[in-house]
Amino acid sequence: AQKITQTQPGMFVQEKEAVTLDCTYDTSDQSYGLFWYKQPSSGEMIFLIYQGSYDEQNATEGRYSLNFQKARKSANLVISASQLGDSAMYFCAMREGPGGSQGNLIFGKGTKLSVKP
Amino acid sequence: NAGVMQNPRHLVRRRGQEARLRCSPMKGHSHVYWYRQLPEEGLKFMVYLQKENIIDESGMPKERFSAEFPKEGPSILRIQQVVRGDSAAYFCASSPNEGAAEAFFGQGTRLTVV
Repeated sequence: AQKITQTQPGMFVQEKEAVTLDCTYDTSDQSYGLFWYKQPSSGEMIFLIYQGSYDEQNATEGRYSLNFQKARKSANLVISASQLGDSAMYFCAMREGPGGSQGNLIFGKGTKLSVKP
Repeated sequence: NAGVMQNPRHLVRRRGQEARLRCSPMKGHSHVYWYRQLPEEGLKFMVYLQKENIIDESGMPKERFSAEFPKEGPSILRIQQVVRGDSAAYFCASSPNEGAAEAFFGQGTRLTVV
């Protein structure tokens, strides 16, 4: 069965420093996609970054990068140069199929990130 | 190009009443997913619909919950005879087709049952 595990309920980081949010996953499929979403206190779900299981390079989007280690089944999110506006819940998610295109997203329980000034 | 629109943003219902949550997908999107988020939890899949078809309802409670996505108009998630345990945030996501990786989320409807 598919499963996403986020082991850090809460994290603190100093403004302007980098932070890594952990995510491990479990699937028997060879084709899948991994996603990170940000949920600020206002509640909406904001897509951050995506990594396909066959992508050879780690995904990057601005200050976000995904440290994809397929053998370890981990997909950690790295936020560089943290800003106060990065304070939010962060969810790791997985979807099966080529490029992560099939079926529903499976979410982890999330990590609450707090950025300190 | 408007994003996924959900309404209402906030809904208060008394126990035993009905709740109707609406989701208008992004223009050109024919696939809709509903998720529920309980307090302090991640999102849990409920149902996946295409126009006029329910594709996967494996996450829907067996009773009181139903969903539809008619040929015209928004997708509707209906909860009959609400109970306090139904209080949650309900999110809708849409994607253009089965081959698309990313699903775009609406802002959610926060249902409070009093």
